[in-house]
Amino acid sequence: AQSVTQLGSHVSVSEGALVLLRCNYSSSVPPYLFWYVQYPNQGLQLLLKYTSAATLVKGINGFEAEFKKSETSFHLTKPSAHMSDAAEYFCAVSLYGGSQGNLIFGKGTKLSVKP
Amino acid sequence: GAVVSQHPSWVICKSGTSVKIECRSLDFQATTMFWYRQFPKQSLMLMATSNEGSKATYEQGVEKDKFLINHASLTLSTLTVTSAHPEDSSFYICSAVPGLGVADTQYFGPGTRLTVL
Repeated sequence: AQSVTQLGSHVSVSEGALVLLRCNYSSSVPPYLFWYVQYPNQGLQLLLKYTSAATLVKGINGFEAEFKKSETSFHLTKPSAHMSDAAEYFCAVSLYGGSQGNLIFGKGTKLSVKP
Repeated sequence: GAVVSQHPSWVICKSGTSVKIECRSLDFQATTMFWYRQFPKQSLMLMATSNEGSKATYEQGVEKDKFLINHASLTLSTLTVTSAHPEDSSFYICSAVPGLGVADTQYFGPGTRLTVL
């Protein structure tokens, strides 16, 4: 069975600093991996997705994530944090892609950005 | 593109009443829609998968008679919480998938906050 572990329920960075949100997955077969962002009282917005093409995936708002099979990781990074990045971030895994199977979500990491 | 809307965005109802939540794909057709539930400070939990023209598939532990799902068209799915109780208070989020290809992405609605008094 697939599972997702997000290390750190809360991450705080200064504006302009590097953002690193950690995600490790467990899957018996090559998975599809996703990062979503949720702003307060809103639904989820797709940041980026890994679908077995390039291991380094670039998403919206300057975010990117690297799929590392040997480490079963899919960490999300952004070189320079902006105040508007403050939100909750969810990593998710699916065996069959977003359409045909469940998305298994991690518990989320709340990102705070200090001025 | 790929916009999903939900209505209402928030609703307060009395215990014992029923509440209907709509999920619409605005600029694409969605053969599959998903309904999630999110408790405060927790992740999303899939409740059911809704396929246009067929019965919804419910996850284990979700009462299908309490959470009625109707996917009547390629752009609309509804979730009706019947005989709502305070423990049903939650944030309900739907998602829709444009197309049937592998690794198609789920696009999420903005959510509906239900409070049952």
